[in-house]
Amino acid sequence: EAGVAQSPRYKIIEKRQSVAFWCNPISGHATLYWYQQILGQGPKLLIQFQNNGVVDDSQLPKDRFSAERLKGVDSTLKIQPAKLEDSAVYLCASSLLAGGVYEQYFGPGTRLTVT
Amino acid sequence: AQRVTQPEKLLSVFKGAPVELKCNYSYSGSPELFWYVQYSRQRLQLLLRHISRESIKGFTADLNKGETSFHLKKPFAQEEDSAMYYCALNTGTASKLTFGTGTRLQVTL
Repeated sequence: EAGVAQSPRYKIIEKRQSVAFWCNPISGHATLYWYQQILGQGPKLLIQFQNNGVVDDSQLPKDRFSAERLKGVDSTLKIQPAKLEDSAVYLCASSLLAGGVYEQYFGPGTRLTVT
Repeated sequence: AQRVTQPEKLLSVFKGAPVELKCNYSYSGSPELFWYVQYSRQRLQLLLRHISRESIKGFTADLNKGETSFHLKKPFAQEEDSAMYYCALNTGTASKLTFGTGTRLQVTL
């Protein structure tokens, strides 16, 4: 079974620039998550999708971050404009369905550096 | 609000010694707790969950609601246990995980 795919793996941009990350979940997984992991901290949930609908985006800084999951499969996360404090690893995860019994499978992450 | 605390950033033990990684949580509802592990250059992955009450790779964790703790234990550490360990709390029915800051376990010879 192929795992969660993410690209790019690394990205360096200057502040005020825009950046986009892509995630392809495990086939058949209805639930998709984006996490932000700042150095020295645990992952923090930014947004959760169930198919192509948003379940929770309460911690997404909506003035600069946006995410979509068209057709309920792949997802993109965008930051526009980026700030220095956005430097982090962005993790995508997927699970068969929502609920604690369903294991979340994580991708390798995208390391973003904002200079 | 829910919170997960892992008080140790780094835990260094000798091979064969017992291991206990501490995790305390704060949540007013009925908690679901997990341990995730990230080995060097690998992805974050689920190690175990409290509802399963199983031992994975020799690790166990018991939910203590009185002390609001979910400590991870292993009687004899192995070199391959060296990794970053995260405790996570699921709140609600929508799989919203709140992670702790993680503990790096270093097993030395």
